[in-house]
Amino acid sequence: SAVISQKPSRDICQRGTSLTIQCQVDSQVTMMFWYRQQPGQSLTLIATANQGSEATYESGFVIDKFPISRPNLTFSTLTVSNMSPEDSSIYLCSARDRVAGEQFFGPGTRLTVL
Amino acid sequence: AQSVTQLDSQVPVFEEAPVELRCNYSSSVSVYLFWYVQYPNQGLQLLLKYLSGSTLVKGINGFEAEFNKSQTSFHLRKPSVHISDTAEYFCAVIGGTGKLIFGQGTTLQVKP
Repeated sequence: SAVISQKPSRDICQRGTSLTIQCQVDSQVTMMFWYRQQPGQSLTLIATANQGSEATYESGFVIDKFPISRPNLTFSTLTVSNMSPEDSSIYLCSARDRVAGEQFFGPGTRLTVL
Repeated sequence: AQSVTQLDSQVPVFEEAPVELRCNYSSSVSVYLFWYVQYPNQGLQLLLKYLSGSTLVKGINGFEAEFNKSQTSFHLRKPSVHISDTAEYFCAVIGGTGKLIFGQGTTLQVKP
């Protein structure tokens, strides 16, 4: 199994600013992902974080708004850029080592944009 | 494309009664299926998973689910619920894209 930690756990930010969320996995994993959970909603996949190359974004999400880095097999960052109140959500980091395997989730970062 | 539909947004049930939370999926290829639970203000926890083999899968906290390929379903069941089972339950699938996609969620409300 993999244990995932995220920093910060929560933050309150002003409109127009940016926040970078860090994700650390306690073991090397093949696949890392970022999800968003808006208030009262399900989880939506933002992107797949690819090690050493550009992330693969889902429809409706773009690199300029959500730049992602993954410098190695255990670490990734998600930046929420030029924030607006609509970006207020929980952002979750996730990892999986095999296509057919359990996917682990971090505790999430609760973001409030004023 | 793969998708997941949870047929009930809310399921109210009395304590010690049985419950079934319904989940249907669509995928053109073989799938791997999961149920996650999210307690209020907490993170996601895996309840159970179907990867291959027996279609009846047992998970934690007395939950089980049955994979039905012909009906493309993966319904979650528990014979007797407790107040502590009150939570949000998410069905999720990995299909041909290799990505874990979630259903809309079902709120299980257990009443005394």
